[in-house]
Amino acid sequence: AQRVTQPEKLLSVFKGAPVELKCNYSYSGSPELFWYVQYSRQRLQLLLRHISRESIKGFTADLNKGETSFHLKKPFAQEEDSAMYYCALGVLSGYSTLTFGKGTMLLVSP
Amino acid sequence: KAGVTQTPRYLIKTRGQQVTLSCSPISGHRSVSWYQQTPGQGLQFLFEYFSETQRNKGNFPGRFSGRQFSNSRSEMNVSTLELGDSALYLCASSLGSGQAGELFFGEGSRLTVL
Repeated sequence: AQRVTQPEKLLSVFKGAPVELKCNYSYSGSPELFWYVQYSRQRLQLLLRHISRESIKGFTADLNKGETSFHLKKPFAQEEDSAMYYCALGVLSGYSTLTFGKGTMLLVSP
Repeated sequence: KAGVTQTPRYLIKTRGQQVTLSCSPISGHRSVSWYQQTPGQGLQFLFEYFSETQRNKGNFPGRFSGRQFSNSRSEMNVSTLELGDSALYLCASSLGSGQAGELFFGEGSRLTVL
């Protein structure tokens, strides 16, 4: 069975500080990992996916299959980064089903 | 292009009633997925429809059902409502082919069961 664990419910940092949102997954096959974000009063939306290996809004995430992790990082947090972040796991079967973690609320203070 | 549209946005029902929620996907998207979001359990997958066929189902009782129409619009139904069914129900659409792709979410339908 697939499982995604985000150990922190809340992460509070000051503006300019580095940020790391943790995500661990459990899946026996080849995973496809995503980070979704929900800003206040907005829809849940894709932030980035591991297969793209890109940086979005300064965020990066590297898939570590050995540690089964997909942590989200940003070197210098901004106030506008405050949001709910969800890590999600997809399977490479052509389906559009994602298993989500319970989310981490990131609060960036001035 | 227009985003995913869900109706109604809010509704209140009593125990034992049934409810139908509607979702219109982004034009050209053939896959529609439904998720239940609660504070305690987070986002839980209900089911996914692709070209009018249910191709994946989550671990929910049979009271939860859905369907997809030829225009890709989807409905989900919950019968014999229970207090625990109170939640935000999110619909997401995607192209639905190839690898697990980007999901585009609606704003959700917030169901309160009294």
